[in-house]
Amino acid sequence: QQQVKQSPQSLIVQKGGISIINCAYENTAFDYFPWYQQFPGKGPALLIAIRPDVSEKKEGRFTISFNKSAKQFSLHIMDSQPGDSATYFCAASKGTSYDKVIFGPGTSLSVIP
Amino acid sequence: NAGVMQNPRHLVRRRGQEARLRCSPVKGHSHVYWYRQLPEEGLKFMVYLQKENIIDESGMPKERFSAEFPKEGPSILRIQQVVRGDSAAYFCASSPRQGSNYGYTFGSGTRLTVV
Repeated sequence: QQQVKQSPQSLIVQKGGISIINCAYENTAFDYFPWYQQFPGKGPALLIAIRPDVSEKKEGRFTISFNKSAKQFSLHIMDSQPGDSATYFCAASKGTSYDKVIFGPGTSLSVIP
Repeated sequence: NAGVMQNPRHLVRRRGQEARLRCSPVKGHSHVYWYRQLPEEGLKFMVYLQKENIIDESGMPKERFSAEFPKEGPSILRIQQVVRGDSAAYFCASSPRQGSNYGYTFGSGTRLTVV
């Protein structure tokens, strides 16, 4: 119930292409879904987040799509660049009161020129 | 604003020794979280602390591990009698308020190697 599943484990995309990472959860009490980006040797950094009252959120080239009925959400990176190469973690929590953030296992993205 | 500072960045310990990992949160943040990251795995929650209080330690092993966040000074994650399985990256995060939807700021981590 506390798990967040994430796929694919790794992804290779050509420069300029679209990177898509998918996540799924089971706990319907989750109401906050952040994505974190992690470069080698660094800590994760908050990239973008969504709450379930909206189906999509866009920030620059990054878009989260959210399907509440399917309990799935995804990250789309448009016009992917080599600088986007990193590990991406989806996560979930009951954001309105304290609860720990549960992270997915991560997706290693490589954008090749 | 220096962000979350963790030290040391790398720590090598022999089996049976003690490891002490330090975390200074973002200035003004009073909520600290510790996560462990094993190779090819995601971040696993260990413990949540506020100043002088442990709020949630449900992810922390019952033995050998302890954490504190004193009124003054950094938060400390302490691992006694380390074993090879403790080798991992340990990340600290802080937030300004209770509630994860304020976003966590992570440090760069401490990479513990047990030999």
